[in-house]
Amino acid sequence: EVQLVQSGAEVRKPGESLKISCKASGYGFTDYWIVWVRQMPGRGLECMGIISPGDSDTRYSPSFQGQVTISADKSISTAHLQWSSLKASDTAMYYCARRHLLHGFDYWGQGTLVTVSS
Amino acid sequence: DIVMTQSPDSLAVSLGERATVSCKSSQSVLYSSNNKNYLAWYQQKPGQPPKLLIYWASTRESGVPDRFSGSGSGTDFTLTISSLQAEDVAVYYCQQYYYTPQTFGQGTKVEIK
Repeated sequence: EVQLVQSGAEVRKPGESLKISCKASGYGFTDYWIVWVRQMPGRGLECMGIISPGDSDTRYSPSFQGQVTISADKSISTAHLQWSSLKASDTAMYYCARRHLLHGFDYWGQGTLVTVSS
Repeated sequence: DIVMTQSPDSLAVSLGERATVSCKSSQSVLYSSNNKNYLAWYQQKPGQPPKLLIYWASTRESGVPDRFSGSGSGTDFTLTISSLQAEDVAVYYCQQYYYTPQTFGQGTKVEIK
């Protein structure tokens, strides 16, 4: 069974750093790209960036370039999303998803809620 | 980025009635090499992650009830729920996955009248 299990909710202060994770199981981790999707409170879905776990080829959406870092560790089938200096506007639910080249985003993690508040 | 525009933003439909959501892409998402539209529909219920319902504009994902159907080609697409059930209350998103970055519509909230 394909599963993407994300790390738990986080509360941070502005300016702090953070790294959240997405652990994949049930399929070949290097066979599919992993995407990170942001959903701000009461808002829609935004693709932040995508990574190929096999060679760590990473593509960022223009709005997120330079704002976050996406990485993957194929030895533990885990993708990461990290911030070096959080802002209040980073408060959102973050989802990882598996990208099927032909079908879209076919499996999703349960989401990680990040709250940034002083 | 490719802009996906859905209409309406919300709609209320009686149980058992038809619900229709439209989606328009700023550029064609039809891949001429395989004649497939790289357009997907997702359902998101409160407190849950999105769920893939339809890909290639009209192919239902495994396990999705056949009351859900998709149609359209090029830049104009439609999601239809033929007979709305209580469990279909959700926000529905279209997405193009032909171009990078993949982009979503703003969402359509479907409620019971």
